[in-house]
Amino acid sequence: GAVVSQHPSRVICKSGTSVKIECRSLDFQATTMFWYRQFPKQSLMLMATSNEGSKATYEQGVEKDKFLINHASLTLSTLTVTSAHPEDSSFYICSARGGAPGNEQFFGPGTRLTVL
Amino acid sequence: AQKITQTQPGMFVQEKEAVTLDCTYDTSDPSYGLFWYKQPSSGEMIFLIYQGSYDQQNATEGRYSLNFQKARKSANLVISASQLGDSAMYFCAMREGRNTGNQFYFGTGTSLTVIP
Repeated sequence: GAVVSQHPSRVICKSGTSVKIECRSLDFQATTMFWYRQFPKQSLMLMATSNEGSKATYEQGVEKDKFLINHASLTLSTLTVTSAHPEDSSFYICSARGGAPGNEQFFGPGTRLTVL
Repeated sequence: AQKITQTQPGMFVQEKEAVTLDCTYDTSDPSYGLFWYKQPSSGEMIFLIYQGSYDQQNATEGRYSLNFQKARKSANLVISASQLGDSAMYFCAMREGRNTGNQFYFGTGTSLTVIP
């Protein structure tokens, strides 16, 4: 099946710094990528949807200036958490979908962010 | 209203026994897909089984089966012959419409513990 990778798998940073998380589709071209956030013992919450070459669509309550999403190529989307704070500590998961009709979504393995 | 409802925060099952994890959904779209994912402690979302709204038969994948009751809007996951490795969080999800690029709505999850 299709493979989606995320890098890094874990990151620890100081409060106030910015962190970039990459999501890559390894064996298919992903026209659409989704970014989710999951707090401990909670469900996945959609943050934003990004289509290659266009601006991301953010869900209500998600600050687009804080969570910068770039989908510059058909195999890579990045999520940058700017000026991270401890409350941003969470598990971030991406999913990717190819462009052909019927193509399914595939999830990445997730990135655990801890902000000190 | 919640799109996906999982009413069992935690479940226990004896090894080799069967267990049913409940899921109800809410949608007015006649076309939708229902999914179950397993999330072990590593965080990766592992796809288990899929049921389309127009599928006449209940989906089965090895030890997993989906008890689809359309009139009741329920899509319970049945795991037969439980194994210790089945201990994990289980999420029910729905995607509305025919477009596989539409977003997923996740339930709050059920934590399954298999007892030796």
